[in-house]
Amino acid sequence: AQKITQTQPGMFVQEKEAVTLDCTYDTSDQSYGLFWYKQPSSGEMIFLIYQGSYDEQNATEGRYSLNFQKARKSANLVISASQLGDSAMYFCAMREGISAGTALIFGKGTTLSVSS
Amino acid sequence: GAVVSQHPSWVICKSGTSVKIECRSLDFQATTMFWYRQFPKQSLMLMATSNEGSKATYEQGVEKDKFLINHASLTLSTLTVTSAHPEDSSFYICSARSWGGYNEQFFGPGTRLTVL
Repeated sequence: AQKITQTQPGMFVQEKEAVTLDCTYDTSDQSYGLFWYKQPSSGEMIFLIYQGSYDEQNATEGRYSLNFQKARKSANLVISASQLGDSAMYFCAMREGISAGTALIFGKGTTLSVSS
Repeated sequence: GAVVSQHPSWVICKSGTSVKIECRSLDFQATTMFWYRQFPKQSLMLMATSNEGSKATYEQGVEKDKFLINHASLTLSTLTVTSAHPEDSSFYICSARSWGGYNEQFFGPGTRLTVL
């Protein structure tokens, strides 16, 4: 079974609109971390936001917020007021356990296209 | 923030030759580094976990003799693709673990390998 599922291969949004990118995860660990990364065409991985499994409040970083629903095992990324520069591939990732030395497991990604 | 560099950023080689890719943590010591592989429009797949001073741990299906990983110092890990073939053409990304904080893993900019 996939650990991280991103069901939207592509999403289209107009500038200034909000968009939600879906992510569900599967783990039996009680401690885990959820990440979102942005990958523009240059290939670099840009860290956007983090949510710990014990964090009670949803994480926010500027225009990015993470809608964490633990019971549903979902960690959707919400981008408010989309900009043309937001066009990129977005990956949801999970780190299982408490060890920082554990590798991230990535979903298949969602390509976001922002139009003017 | 922590910076990870990769060299070269891109390389083209002939089939049968070996290629070495370097991953360096520039402003922190990285006890653990991770090597990922990414095909176009696809997710990042973990190849191996590299710990300083010890043998790398390879993921299932990754050929140890083909993808040699050496983590000789706290700031440098190398991936050598031996006897490269066209099917090894891919985007290789490393990440390094940094102590402290939730975002412990920092990604390098990636190396695009093309084998002719």
